[in-house]
Amino acid sequence: NAGVTQTPKFQVLKTGQSMTLQCAQDMNHEYMSWYRQDPGMGLRLIHYSVGAGITDQGEVPNGYNVSRSTTEDFPLRLLSAAPSQTSVYFCASRISGGAFPDTQYFGPGTRLTVL
Amino acid sequence: GDSVTQMEGPVTLSEEAFLTINCTYTATGYPSLFWYVQYPGEGLQLLLKATKADDKGSNKGFEATYRKETTSFHLEKGSVQVSDSAVYFCALSDPDSSASKIIFGSGTRLSIRP
Repeated sequence: NAGVTQTPKFQVLKTGQSMTLQCAQDMNHEYMSWYRQDPGMGLRLIHYSVGAGITDQGEVPNGYNVSRSTTEDFPLRLLSAAPSQTSVYFCASRISGGAFPDTQYFGPGTRLTVL
Repeated sequence: GDSVTQMEGPVTLSEEAFLTINCTYTATGYPSLFWYVQYPGEGLQLLLKATKADDKGSNKGFEATYRKETTSFHLEKGSVQVSDSAVYFCALSDPDSSASKIIFGSGTRLSIRP
């Protein structure tokens, strides 16, 4: 299993540009989520999905869109990048139920800089 | 709402020293508690977990006990190694919430001197 994969690893954007951060998992997990990590603030939840076709907002959803057309993929779209979106982005997945429903598996992260 | 508070870093220790990283939580339900570790340049990995009061999670020499009376889940290790240098995150998940979201603390950076 590859686990949770993210692309790209690094990205530099100009203010106003749009882009999509890709996330995929091969563990057949129902639950997927996107976090951003900023210094001194830990991880903050952006959006999450409890299954294909179902998404919901997290703590800091503004400026981001998501979709979940398949169980495997959960892309994060920045519609019009702003410097405040400079951060490290992590995708995560987990089984929604079962013996260990809460163990999350994280991707390696995407470091995004918006100029 | 639910929240996690952990001690601010950075924490710098010498090899073989005793480690404690404090973590307290606020939750309306009966959360599961976790410690995650992030090594340089990598994503987070689950270090240990506890799902009910008085449970002790342990892994790689690290331990943490779920203390409901003090709403705490402090991370301890008896003898740290240079390879333990990382950022440690305390987290909780309320299984009664609609989506069992995991809430993270702000992280504590640990550096171990040889």
